[in-house]
Amino acid sequence: QVQLVQSGAEVKKPGASVKVSCKASGYTFTSYDIIWVRQAPGQGLEWMGWISAYNGNTNYAQKFQGRVTMTTDTSTSTAYMELRSLTSDDTAVYYCARLFLYFYYMDVWGKGTTVTVSS
Amino acid sequence: QTVVTQEPSFSVSPGGTVTLTCGLSSGSVSTSYYPSWYQQTPGQAPRTLIYSTNTRSSGVPDRFSGSILGNKAALTITGAQADDESDYYCVLYMGSGILFGGGTKLTVL
Repeated sequence: QVQLVQSGAEVKKPGASVKVSCKASGYTFTSYDIIWVRQAPGQGLEWMGWISAYNGNTNYAQKFQGRVTMTTDTSTSTAYMELRSLTSDDTAVYYCARLFLYFYYMDVWGKGTTVTVSS
Repeated sequence: QTVVTQEPSFSVSPGGTVTLTCGLSSGSVSTSYYPSWYQQTPGQAPRTLIYSTNTRSSGVPDRFSGSILGNKAALTITGAQADDESDYYCVLYMGSGILFGGGTKLTVL
């Protein structure tokens, strides 16, 4: 079955970077985009950006431009999201999802990766 | 800056019908925004319910339906059940990316 398996929880200090992985299985990885969404504690969902697994083209939300980098490794069917210059406001659960670009919706979700930023 | 608006909370009786809406701070929602809907329970990843306004995702029961009502996208739950108690988020395609609504907390009681 189609699955997205994310890396484990992270604890980072302010100013550090975090890199979260999302390993896909059960489908042709390069046929879909991967989108990243985060959710701060008690808050709603927030779009961060997406990446084409076919050609690596990215589309970042303006809020994260310059601070986020999304990449893919097609040899391992894995997507990565790196966020730099972390602050306590970046404490959140980070989700990857498969994006069905034609209709702009997410059809399969990872279980989420908790990132805690604390001194 | 455009904001996607949803009711912060709603309640429905078991077996009842409820319609949640998804609007824009300025302008009207149309099918061109490809509205989609997601259900999330505490501690869980979102689950996809509806995409492209009114298409149910695989495995979603037909008591969930999507539509455009007036100038908003809408999610209607018919015959609400206890396990429908969740947060519901809409998403709109904005041309350069997507925007999430703030979510509606649905209580079934």
